[in-house]
Amino acid sequence: EPEVTQTPSHQVTQMGQEVILRCVPISNHLYFYWYRQILGQKVEFLVSFYNNEISEKSEIFDDQFSVERPDGSNFTLKIRSTKLEDSAMYFCASSPGTGGLQPQHFGDGTRLSIL
Amino acid sequence: AQSVTQPDIHITVSEGASLELRCNYSYGATPYLFWYVQSPGQGLQLLLKYFSGDTLVQGIKGFEAEFKRSQSSFNLRKPSVHWSDAAEYFCAVGPYSGAGSYQLTFGKGTKLSVIP
Repeated sequence: EPEVTQTPSHQVTQMGQEVILRCVPISNHLYFYWYRQILGQKVEFLVSFYNNEISEKSEIFDDQFSVERPDGSNFTLKIRSTKLEDSAMYFCASSPGTGGLQPQHFGDGTRLSIL
Repeated sequence: AQSVTQPDIHITVSEGASLELRCNYSYGATPYLFWYVQSPGQGLQLLLKYFSGDTLVQGIKGFEAEFKRSQSSFNLRKPSVHWSDAAEYFCAVGPYSGAGSYQLTFGKGTKLSVIP
């Protein structure tokens, strides 16, 4: 069964550094998402992306964050200047574009640790 | 704003016993409802979904859930738990917007432990 893949599985970065988290969504899906889960807290929506544009973003997704689909397969989340509070598990998800509202399929996540 | 409440943080059951995980949602219209499971070190796997129609939905791994509009609930059930069901379970709600893109709102999750 096709799946969403995320790399790396664990990223350790110094505070203030830029980090890029990578995702390969399921190949025929058209809608892409990023969520994060701070340890012990809820999974929270960050951003949705469709047709090379942000569809929706949460208040968490401030100017330090950006998303990009640099080619036909990858979907990236960039954090420009990381803070300690950015430490979390980041999940990428994708959903199909047809057949009405379809469930989102999640990757295994990238654990981001900011030192 | 939509919200999801999972009242039980941690539940322990014996293998072979029945299971019910509670979920209550708050949403102004008809919601889309989901249950996801997260095993340690893994991502979120979809167990089942409710969009419309029959209020009792069947999912993978022998799980089912019942949508009760009057109680704003979407409880997850399994008649006989297996040791491999030990994981964290998340209830989530999405808006019935008709659009292909939507944001999910998750509950805090219920951690399930299974005693052999």
